Amino acid sequence: GENVEQHPSTLSVQEGDSAVIKCTYSDSASNYFPWYKQELGKRPQLIIDIRSNVGEKKDQRIAVTLNKTAKHFSLHITETQPEDSAVYFCAVPSGGSYIPTFGRGTSLIVHP
Amino acid sequence: NAGVMQNPRHLVRRRGQEARLRCSPMKGHSHVYWYRQLPEEGLKFMVYLQKENIIDESGMPKERFSAEFPKEGPSILRIQQVVRGDSAAYFCASSTTDSRNQPQHFGDGTRLSIL
Repeated sequence: GENVEQHPSTLSVQEGDSAVIKCTYSDSASNYFPWYKQELGKRPQLIIDIRSNVGEKKDQRIAVTLNKTAKHFSLHITETQPEDSAVYFCAVPSGGSYIPTFGRGTSLIVHP
Repeated sequence: NAGVMQNPRHLVRRRGQEARLRCSPMKGHSHVYWYRQLPEEGLKFMVYLQKENIIDESGMPKERFSAEFPKEGPSILRIQQVVRGDSAAYFCASSTTDSRNQPQHFGDGTRLSIL
């Protein structure tokens, strides 16, 4: 099955700093790479995704970059705010039935 | 457009009882996925269903666990003879097609506690 590694497991930043979370994967056939945000006690929610025909996608303070050759993709959050504090998961669908394999998550803490 | 609906939000069972978790996908979504999440851990895939069919159950234990998605009504995750180790949050997600290039939409989850 797909092997997804997500780093770091914990990230602590000051408000206004940037945060970067990286995921590596093993299945070169994977073509879709979403990122989910999960606040404490709540559901995971899609925040941004990228498909393999593009290398970067931006949505206001959030961006995702993809390097298919190296098989990794990263989430970038600029000008972090306390409400960005949450656990972030990457996911990579693969295999015959395209079941997403989720990373172990990154706990982002933004200090005011 | 209502999102993915899960109920109950919280479920308490004693060891040996049965737990039934329900999930109604978003309108227009015919693909349903069940995940299990332990505190401070990621989402572990359990089972993937379409209407009246189990597509992939490779993440679901062979004993005591079953899932269905009937033609009418919600998807059900059923755990028989629950044990303490079944305590977790169970999330359901749905999508319009398979997840090769479409996001999943999650419900609020069911927190299962086993006494």
